[in-house]
Amino acid sequence: QLQLQESGPGLVKPSETLSLTCTVSGGSISSARYYWGFIRQPPGKGLEWIGNMYYSGYTHHNPSLKSRVTISVETSKNQFSLKLSSVTAADTAVYYCASLRDHYFDYWGQGILVTVSS
Amino acid sequence: QSALTQPASVSGSPGQSITISCIGTSSDVGSYNLVSWYQQHPGKAPKLMIYEGTKRPSGVSNRFSGSKSGNTASLTISGLQAEDEADYYCCSSAGSGTWVFGGGTKLTVL
Repeated sequence: QLQLQESGPGLVKPSETLSLTCTVSGGSISSARYYWGFIRQPPGKGLEWIGNMYYSGYTHHNPSLKSRVTISVETSKNQFSLKLSSVTAADTAVYYCASLRDHYFDYWGQGILVTVSS
Repeated sequence: QSALTQPASVSGSPGQSITISCIGTSSDVGSYNLVSWYQQHPGKAPKLMIYEGTKRPSGVSNRFSGSKSGNTASLTISGLQAEDEADYYCCSSAGSGTWVFGGGTKLTVL
């Protein structure tokens, strides 16, 4: 069974770039069965899909965030990463990484709270 | 791409059944039988409860069921139990590899 774990800074300054890494264990990030994605949840609010990546590099992004989002994969480390540029307080959220199998998110990381503040 | 519409809250007594609706459009829920439902307890990551509209992952109680009619998907929980109290989110394909979540529904077991 897959396990995912987010890591990265818990505090980012406004206008800077948020960077998170998700480490996958229990399976290969190069598996043809999965896309790898990020979802976020502002405090007290609902879930928002950010984007997905296939191990080959093929990506999809939320149109509302597309210009600020970069998702990349590091197959040698079994990791994938999120970069979100020009952050504001509105980007404060718990960020989850998850595996997207076929048409559903089946495994999730525990989440990491990222606060945007000076 | 707008969030799917869910009621903010629903409630029921132990043993009763409740249904949570998830209203989308012909561009998402109505076009694909790819709605999934997630349960989230406070401070925890979401857990997959229903996928592809009606299917249950291994280990999920058969008290949970999903359905769809037109642009509306629904999650029904029968025989409510205290541990079902949580937030529930629907999610649908919105085409072109994109996904959209509902705003979430808080279930209270009275």
